Amino acid sequence: GQQLNQSPQSMFIQEGEDVSMNCTSSSIFNTWLWYKQDPGEGPVLLIALYKAGELTSNGRLTAQFGITRKDSFLNISASIPSDVGIYFCAGHKGAGNNRKLIWGLGTSLAVNP
Amino acid sequence: DAGITQSPRYKITETGRQVTLMCHQTWSHSYMFWYRQDLGHGLRLIYYSAAADITDKGEVPDGYVVSRSKTENFPLTLESATRSQTSVYFCASRVSAQETQYFGPGTRLLVL
Repeated sequence: GQQLNQSPQSMFIQEGEDVSMNCTSSSIFNTWLWYKQDPGEGPVLLIALYKAGELTSNGRLTAQFGITRKDSFLNISASIPSDVGIYFCAGHKGAGNNRKLIWGLGTSLAVNP
Repeated sequence: DAGITQSPRYKITETGRQVTLMCHQTWSHSYMFWYRQDLGHGLRLIYYSAAADITDKGEVPDGYVVSRSKTENFPLTLESATRSQTSVYFCASRVSAQETQYFGPGTRLLVL
């Protein structure tokens, strides 16, 4: 099935550093979602984006809906140990597209205290 | 406690046995989903349901059966478990008007 291209696949950073990750596709999407999965838990929604060019923040997290509608970015500022986990992007192409999300394979983040 | 729950959280079974994983949500969300998560494959959709008595196949439905007689429950059955079905299974739900899905805590299944 179709998947989003999510990069990087993994990151190992020092506490306090900023983090950037992105998702790209050859197709246009109407909705971009960013989730975080803590070890042993289910994914939890971080940020939802509904409009091209939209920039939305949630605490130290900021996500953007690319103006081409084919990509999205997630930034984490001043990382802390509890940021450890897997970050997933997901996109939706809009009504009539089987109401299913297309998922990236995730970015695994490790933070060294 | 409101939300979406899955049971059991951990299950060990043997090849050929039937296994049912349960999913229950208290939000009255119309849509429910079953995913499996495996290293290198991310989240793959097995089945989904738009409402009670309406189900449809996802990306990897072979070997699985679902039913949805009530809005709040969406059980997933492995009719004859195989080792390749060893995985972490997640149930999710959402309202009809939005794409945001809310996930349960997962069931870790080991097929010996």
